[in-house]
Amino acid sequence: DAGITQSPRHKVTETGTPVTLRCHQTENHRYMYWYRQDPGHGLRLIHYSYGVKDTDKGEVSDGYSVSRSKTEDFLLTLESATSSQTSVYFCAISETGSMNTEAFFGQGTRLTVV
Amino acid sequence: RKEVEQDPGPFNVPEGATVAFNCTYSNSASQSFFWYRQDCRKEPKLLMSVYSSGNEDGRFTAQLNRASQYISLLIRDSKLSDSATYLCVVNTNTGNQFYFGTGTSLTVIP
Repeated sequence: DAGITQSPRHKVTETGTPVTLRCHQTENHRYMYWYRQDPGHGLRLIHYSYGVKDTDKGEVSDGYSVSRSKTEDFLLTLESATSSQTSVYFCAISETGSMNTEAFFGQGTRLTVV
Repeated sequence: RKEVEQDPGPFNVPEGATVAFNCTYSNSASQSFFWYRQDCRKEPKLLMSVYSSGNEDGRFTAQLNRASQYISLLIRDSKLSDSATYLCVVNTNTGNQFYFGTGTSLTVIP
């Protein structure tokens, strides 16, 4: 299995509080991604990174920010959590943009905003 | 319009049956195609890549039709352990973004 670790694995937080999720990889892959997965929507891209300090928005980026200060770490921050951000969050990594290069996923973080 | 569309199912089939899943994608510039498998409350994992000429891996066969922008997955001789959600995934290679279908649920019944 690819070396991807997400922390925490489970979190319950209150509306309006800041939350940071961490993704750590040991594969030295260039690309890192944050997705959320909700029933009926599948996996939707929040933000992604194509290098240290190089990030871009995905389709559901509102309310989220990211940072990548080192190759191995990609942080997702909810500045002020809302109930609509209750979801399962997956981090993924990919080595290059070449054809047929797959994405590897972390085990997910289950976030509940109450 | 969604980048990737799949029939969500569910598909409930007996052991030994053959089942086919279909998927369409909207971006004609898409270059890479995959089927992922996701077990309940687990992360998605690669089942197989899909090549233009079609490819087979044991009981699993994947096909790509670029003209129709259509991808398929065929599972022969279904096993109980095949029960999972199957995700169709497309990558445009521009920005290396992966787009996921909502998944098709399969339950194989004894």
